[in-house]
Amino acid sequence: AAGVIQSPRHLIKEKRETATLKCYPIPRHDTVYWYQQGPGQDPQFLISFYEKMQSDKGSIPDRFSAQQFSDYHSELNMSSLELGDSALYFCASSYGTGVINEQYFGPGTRLTVT
Amino acid sequence: DAKTTQPPSMDCAEGRAANLPCNHSTISGNEYVYWYRQIHSQGPQYIIHGLKNNETNEMASLIITEDRKSSTLILPHATLRDTAVYYCIVRVVRDYKLSFGAGTTVTVRA
Repeated sequence: AAGVIQSPRHLIKEKRETATLKCYPIPRHDTVYWYQQGPGQDPQFLISFYEKMQSDKGSIPDRFSAQQFSDYHSELNMSSLELGDSALYFCASSYGTGVINEQYFGPGTRLTVT
Repeated sequence: DAKTTQPPSMDCAEGRAANLPCNHSTISGNEYVYWYRQIHSQGPQYIIHGLKNNETNEMASLIITEDRKSSTLILPHATLRDTAVYYCIVRVVRDYKLSFGAGTTVTVRA
């Protein structure tokens, strides 16, 4: 079965640079979620989109922005990168929203900021 | 959201059942119990969820106490590939996000 696709899988950037992470949800899924997992930490919710509208927001820095496009893929844009942004970034997708809709996670993008 | 408490770690013998407890004593009536797991740096994987009845699927069983203040995830025949961090998460109805707390690191030993 098709899974969530994230690109790139690995990304190395320098401080103050920008990065764009992409997420392609499972076909027919209309909701996308972004999570950040720092080294040795648990995943933390950043932001979600349902039908191209922001649906929920977590601890996402102002330097980060995201959007969902008409084909339901999503991009997370990160500017003025800091060393602390080094983390695994997971995208998840679901069909519909709410508690009964399981989230399926992608393999993640490992971002290293030097 | 209600908070959950899980033991930080547990070992399990391969082929035996693994019983993972979770305490959610402040859970409210419209909150579901979800279980996810994360195998070393991979994306978290959905296991099972329930409201008040016991649930079973091809991966696991979920036993929720009658007062809903605790639950147990049962992996019936643990394999080495079940070694992972297991997260018990309580979600309110129409809550978009998953709030991952400190899960249980399960190590299955041969």
